[in-house]
Amino acid sequence: KNEVEQSPQNLTAQEGEFITINCSYSVGISALHWLQQHPGGGIVSLFMLSSGKKKHGRLIATINIQEKHSSLHITASHPRDSAVYICAAFIYYGGSQGNLIFGKGTKLSVKP
Amino acid sequence: GAGVSQSPSNKVTEKGKDVELRCDPISGHTALYWYRQRLGQGLEFLIYFQGNSAPDKSGLPSDRFSAERTGESVSTLTIQRTQQEDSAVYLCASSLTRGNTEAFFGQGTRLTVV
Repeated sequence: KNEVEQSPQNLTAQEGEFITINCSYSVGISALHWLQQHPGGGIVSLFMLSSGKKKHGRLIATINIQEKHSSLHITASHPRDSAVYICAAFIYYGGSQGNLIFGKGTKLSVKP
Repeated sequence: GAGVSQSPSNKVTEKGKDVELRCDPISGHTALYWYRQRLGQGLEFLIYFQGNSAPDKSGLPSDRFSAERTGESVSTLTIQRTQQEDSAVYLCASSLTRGNTEAFFGQGTRLTVV
């Protein structure tokens, strides 16, 4: 079982719809990242969360540490939001050892 | 520079040759990660450097893969005797310290082994 699970794997929406992508993790983490990967491969960091909620433009990310769950919301979606959204959790293994563990990504397609 | 820089951006090599990929992290970032992404696949951890601590090499797929980093500077990922299954985009990321700060990604090196 992957330590970081994302859902849905694929999501098609109409322009203007409210979108939610979910991420759950099975181990204790120190931070959770939401990343965006466009066709062509470049990855951009959207948010880094360790608690609560963050907002940037039409994007909102929330995290519930007790429930080991995070969500990424996109309000008033637009075709340019079409991308793969990846959840990544930083997991400590002890001492200074740790790693970003990635979910498999959610491929979002927003139709005009 | 302002971001994480990787070079080359594209590399085509013949099977059996050695390749070296370079990552320049953001200045002052102590944590550096290497990942690869094969076509249509998710991101796969390779190696993690944290300051002067021993790196976490648990993700390296074989002994043909090695990586070096001196202090908090440039890192090189070396693949010896390349195989076709090594074809992938190799991504580097850095963060200010361990995981609870934002990770910044380079644009990747697209490696094609023919």
